[in-house]
Amino acid sequence: SAVISQKPSRDICQRGTSLTIQCQVDSQVTMMFWYRQQPGQSLTLIATANQGSEATYESGFVIDKFPISRPNLTFSTLTVSNMSPEDSSIYLCSVDRGEDTQYFGPGTRLTVL
Amino acid sequence: AQRVTQPEKLLSVFKGAPVELKCNYSYSGSPELFWYVQYSRQRLQLLLRHISRESIKGFTADLNKGETSFHLKKPFAQEEDSAMYYCALSNYGQNFVFGPGTRLSVLP
Repeated sequence: SAVISQKPSRDICQRGTSLTIQCQVDSQVTMMFWYRQQPGQSLTLIATANQGSEATYESGFVIDKFPISRPNLTFSTLTVSNMSPEDSSIYLCSVDRGEDTQYFGPGTRLTVL
Repeated sequence: AQRVTQPEKLLSVFKGAPVELKCNYSYSGSPELFWYVQYSRQRLQLLLRHISRESIKGFTADLNKGETSFHLKKPFAQEEDSAMYYCALSNYGQNFVFGPGTRLSVLP
């Protein structure tokens, strides 16, 4: 498995502001993923972040709303831009260490007022 | 398109009773199937994957390609098994798709 941490663990934000979520892994990984888990729902993949290339976004998610950085093989950030209450969710990062299995961070609980 | 369904949102069983969490999938190729579990206030973690064919915490799951199912089973449920269970599918590391989840409640 991998040790994955996320910051912040939770936040309450005002409408129209942006929040950047950090994901740190204890070892180098090629593939990192960002998911959203809306209240009472399952996980939805936002994008795949590979080091050295632009993130690949899933249908319904765009870079302007969810810019992602992947500066190295152990770190990634997801920014939730121009937030609205509909963005209230748990955001999770996960990694694949080449085992075709995903390991998840503890999540960031975001509440937008 | 890839899709995972878990028909039960909530499943309640008594301690010591058998439990089966249902999972069905649709996928045109040969998928990998997983079960993830999320205990209260803990992170989502891998429970088992069909490729390894192992038993974790007494849970097993068999991939039935004919029925496109990957049901999770345990012969004797324990109270500590109470958690949220997600079935997931991937095409070998790419494009993980999660089911809606089933909340298992094991009653004393």
